Amino acid sequence: DAGITQSPRHKVTETGTPVTLRCHQTENHRYMYWYRQDPGHGLRLIHYSYGVKDTDKGEVSDGYSVSRSKTEDFLLTLESATSSQTSVYFCAIKGLGADTQYFGPGTRLTVL
Amino acid sequence: GQQVMQIPQYQHVQEGEDFTTYCNSSTTLSNIQWYKQRPGGHPVFLIQLVKSGEVKKQKRLTFQFGEAKKNSSLHITATQTTDVGTYFCAGRSGGSNYKLTFGKGTLLTVNP
Repeated sequence: DAGITQSPRHKVTETGTPVTLRCHQTENHRYMYWYRQDPGHGLRLIHYSYGVKDTDKGEVSDGYSVSRSKTEDFLLTLESATSSQTSVYFCAIKGLGADTQYFGPGTRLTVL
Repeated sequence: GQQVMQIPQYQHVQEGEDFTTYCNSSTTLSNIQWYKQRPGGHPVFLIQLVKSGEVKKQKRLTFQFGEAKKNSSLHITATQTTDVGTYFCAGRSGGSNYKLTFGKGTLLTVNP
């Protein structure tokens, strides 16, 4: 795989608590993405980054924020988790010279 | 915004039968990509199509990109149990800062 790790891999939390998911890449790629995957909805883009401190919203960004202070790390934060944010979260990077995206192993988040 | 529709949502076949999934975009695409996700896994890149009318083959898999660059298909000949998984198409419109819009996927199950 493309040197992408996500942490934690599984998390159970309670409604109203803050949660931060981490995506780490060893490939020094500029573009990084956060998606959520839910049954019947496929993969939906939450936020993406096109460089250090350069981020933008995707189609389902409400309730989420991101930060990228280093090339290798892209953090996704749920400021106050809700049950509707129970999902599998995937991080991805864009390969060089193409639109190909390489996905991390995913984080399964459950909000009770 | 851009929408990518994928049909069917589910397909169950007997091993040895053929399988096809179709993808249609609401806008003209710069390129289209196909990904496969095994149960419990993460999406893995299969192929990218760029040219109008392009056809590419990977062993038993045939990928087509429509002449208008708004639709695509993936055809698997003589399915095997190893083909089980969800197949996603993903398209990018020009100037979208390398954001992909994913179809909802087709889940293929194969009865041995």
